Amino acid sequence: EIVLTQSPGTLSLSPGERATLSCRASQSVSSSYLAWYQQKPGQAPRLLIYGASSRATGIPDRFSGSGSGTDFTLTISRLEPEDFAVYYCQQYGSSPRITFGQGTRLEIK
Amino acid sequence: EVQLVESGGGLVKPGGSLRLSCAASGFTFSSYSMNWVRQAPGKGLEWVSSISSSSSYIYYADSVKGRFTISRDNAKNSLYLQMNSLRAEDTAVYYCARDMGLNWGQGTLVTVSS
Repeated sequence: EIVLTQSPGTLSLSPGERATLSCRASQSVSSSYLAWYQQKPGQAPRLLIYGASSRATGIPDRFSGSGSGTDFTLTISRLEPEDFAVYYCQQYGSSPRITFGQGTRLEIK
Repeated sequence: EVQLVESGGGLVKPGGSLRLSCAASGFTFSSYSMNWVRQAPGKGLEWVSSISSSSSYIYYADSVKGRFTISRDNAKNSLYLQMNSLRAEDTAVYYCARDMGLNWGQGTLVTVSS
């Protein structure tokens, strides 16, 4: 089973700053089947990035994903007020079919 | 517009059963695998079960194997999760998701408590 470890657990930043979130896998994620989700309180998760670096439909270009193998990064270039939320990485290419990281909480400083 | 609408959640006693449903619209349901993902109160996301487009391949998390059964009816554009022998630790919001998570429903809350 692939275990995903996200860091940091909580990230405190101000609007306009750059956010860098990390996701490390316990073994290589096949074919970069790595996704990132944003979740706000009381809402369902929303897909941001799939295939490690492809933005989902309607996602602003301030969100970008990178990485391969076991190390992946989600970068938000300039934080907007609506970006403060919890972010999860997910692998969907290996058995068990899907696993999630424990999440990174992005909070306003 | 893609829509996924879960229903069937509620309060159930330990050892009881519930059947969740997910009504899909806005896409060709029969062409996509579907997943159930849950989130315990204040916790992260946990994958529960997957079913392929034609129901040929079905997978479960170890935590629910032998107790939960996923199924789908492509004629009705619907996904189901039969949950038996429920435990307190099954308390969560249950989401259905298209494919690996392209779209999600709003979730339905399952509470297991005496």
